[in-house]
Amino acid sequence: GQQVMQIPQYQHVQEGEDFTTYCNSSTTLSNIQWYKQRPGGHPVFLIQLVKSGEVKKQKRLTFQFGEAKKNSSLHITATQTTDVGTYFCAGARNSGAGSYQLTFGKGTKLSVIP
Amino acid sequence: NAGVTQTPKFQVLKTGQSMTLQCAQDMNHEYMSWYRQDPGMGLRLIHYSVGAGITDQGEVPNGYNVSRSTTEDFPLRLLSAAPSQTSVYFCASSYLGSIGEQFFGPGTRLTVL
Repeated sequence: GQQVMQIPQYQHVQEGEDFTTYCNSSTTLSNIQWYKQRPGGHPVFLIQLVKSGEVKKQKRLTFQFGEAKKNSSLHITATQTTDVGTYFCAGARNSGAGSYQLTFGKGTKLSVIP
Repeated sequence: NAGVTQTPKFQVLKTGQSMTLQCAQDMNHEYMSWYRQDPGMGLRLIHYSVGAGITDQGEVPNGYNVSRSTTEDFPLRLLSAAPSQTSVYFCASSYLGSIGEQFFGPGTRLTVL
């Protein structure tokens, strides 16, 4: 079945340092979604990328979708303590007959040291 | 709008007991799903529904049943709880199905002793 690999599993950074998490799929994706889960909370949608090579920015967050639509990255510039949480990618794949399968990566847990 | 609501927030069961986790949404989303989240395992799909009366299995369906009699509600049933079902359960809904933004509920933390 479809697999979505996400690395690293954990990342500890000093406040002000940059952070990047990477997502790779074994199959071509229709889109990729990114979610953030604060400690003790539930996943919250951040963004969706659809086009090959697409780059989107949200303030200090930059999201990229690879040219082959199999990989993606989330980069945070100058991390803040409010960035703490687990970041998940989720790849949507066309599974035939107009239906799609959404598979989540295992997430990257970000800790920010003040 | 309340969005996606889940009850209870916490539950402790003994092995072999049954229970139903409730999930409701007021956004008129046709697509609803259940995930379980275990440490280091991410979110794994248990069951999903593309509309009232239609359900299907996800990645880890064993030990769980679902039904969808209305657009709003999507309960998850554990018929005979096992310690392996200790987890955090999230319900989600979406306007565009699995390809669209998923709205998650606050979760139910279940412990099976």
